[in-house]
Amino acid sequence: AQSVTQLGSHVSVSEGALVLLRCNYSSSVPPYLFWYVQYPNQGLQLLLKYTSAATLVKGINGFEAEFKKSETSFHLTKPSAHMSDAAEYFCAVSDSPGNQFYFGTGTSLTVIP
Amino acid sequence: GAGVSQSPRYKVAKRGQDVALRCDPISGHVSLFWYQQALGQGPEFLTYFQNEAQLDKSGLPSDRFFAERPEGSVSTLKIQRTQQEDSAVYLCASSEGPNSYEQYFGPGTRLTVT
Repeated sequence: AQSVTQLGSHVSVSEGALVLLRCNYSSSVPPYLFWYVQYPNQGLQLLLKYTSAATLVKGINGFEAEFKKSETSFHLTKPSAHMSDAAEYFCAVSDSPGNQFYFGTGTSLTVIP
Repeated sequence: GAGVSQSPRYKVAKRGQDVALRCDPISGHVSLFWYQQALGQGPEFLTYFQNEAQLDKSGLPSDRFFAERPEGSVSTLKIQRTQQEDSAVYLCASSEGPNSYEQYFGPGTRLTVT
């Protein structure tokens, strides 16, 4: 069975500061991992994905995430927060292409000017 | 190109009413998923179609929920005799096919049952 834990339902950072959103997963098979962003009243937009290639994955809008098998983690980072980064972020895991996603409960990111 | 679209965007139903939620996937996408997102939660899987075949409906919470995709394109999620606990955002996602990693999400339908 697959599951995702996102530590911290709310994260606040100052504009220009490092963004770190945590995601730990549980999977009985090698996982496929995803980060999505959701702006108010909008659907989910894919930020980046890990599909068993490079462990450091770069995504859109300056975000990146590192797959660490030993820690079962896939934390999302961005060196310098921008006001437009304020949104809800979801980590998701799947056990194979074409299968359902299992989502975490989300982390709401606030960027303080 | 056009993304996944869903209609209506907002639906208010009185308890006991039936509702139908529509999803238009990206053209040519074989796979289609429905998810339910309760307030403050992450999306949870409801059901999956490959073309017109419903291959997995293990996430449907009760027999009041029914989904179809008769021509392998547009899909409809129907909820009969709505209950307050059905209030949620219903998200539809499509992907190119069973070997595709990415799912593309629509904006969702926010259902409020009063």
